[in-house]
Amino acid sequence: EVQLLESGGDLVQPGGSLRLSCAASGFTFSSYAMRWVRQAPGKGLEWVSSISGDTEGTHYADSVKGRFTISRDNSKNTLYLQMNSLRAEDTAVYYCARRTPDYYYMDVWGKGTTVTVSS
Amino acid sequence: EIVLTQSPGTLSLSPGERVTLSCRASQSVSSRYLAWYQQKPGQAPRLLIYAASSRATGIPDRFSGSGSGTDFTLTISRLEPEDFAVYYCLQSGSSPLYTFGQGTKLEIK
Repeated sequence: EVQLLESGGDLVQPGGSLRLSCAASGFTFSSYAMRWVRQAPGKGLEWVSSISGDTEGTHYADSVKGRFTISRDNSKNTLYLQMNSLRAEDTAVYYCARRTPDYYYMDVWGKGTTVTVSS
Repeated sequence: EIVLTQSPGTLSLSPGERVTLSCRASQSVSSRYLAWYQQKPGQAPRLLIYAASSRATGIPDRFSGSGSGTDFTLTISRLEPEDFAVYYCLQSGSSPLYTFGQGTKLEIK
C-alpha cells in the first residue's frame, strides 16, 4: 500500500525551529518528486515547497523562502522540512504529498502533522 | 502567478441534488494541469479529478470535471451524504510552483 506518514509537529515559540519528517512506503520513493503543503486553521491549502526525486531541484513559496529548507534521504525513504525563524502565521497542518510524473499534480497525501507557533 | 478563484464560497444543498462548482483562472491553464480535490474535516485532501476531466482511481462516476482555458467546473450529479465537504481546484502547470483555489464548502441544507 502506498503510504506517507508525517511526524515532528509540535508547539514551538516564535523564532524557534522544527524539523518535520515524512516517511514513505509502498512505492519507489526516489522516482518521485515530493511536495509540502500546509493548511492554517480554518483556511485553505497552501503549497509550501517542492523537491525533485534526485534532490537537485528545490523550490519554495515566497512566504517561507529563506526560512524553510526541504530535503530528502532516498536511502531512508524520507522527506524533511527544516523550519527556522518560525512565525505565528506558520501555524498549520503540514502535509507531505507525492507528485505524479506526468500531470504534476499531487496524488498521494499523508495525514498531516500539526505545527503550532505560539508563546 | 496564476490565481484560481472558486465560486461560490459556500453552497447549501440537499442530498440527491445536482451541483456544479466553478474554478476560474486568471490566465489560461492547460487542461492537463487542472485537478480537483475533496477534503473532509480532519482529513487530508483526496484527489477526485485530474487533467480537468479524468476521474482518479476509485472515484464514483457521479463526479465529473470539465472545462478549458480559464474556466473549469466540477459537477456532482446526485449528492450523497458523504459528498458534503470542501472542494479545491489546483493548477499544476507551473510546477514546481502550485496554486490552489480558495475552496468551495458544500454543506447540507
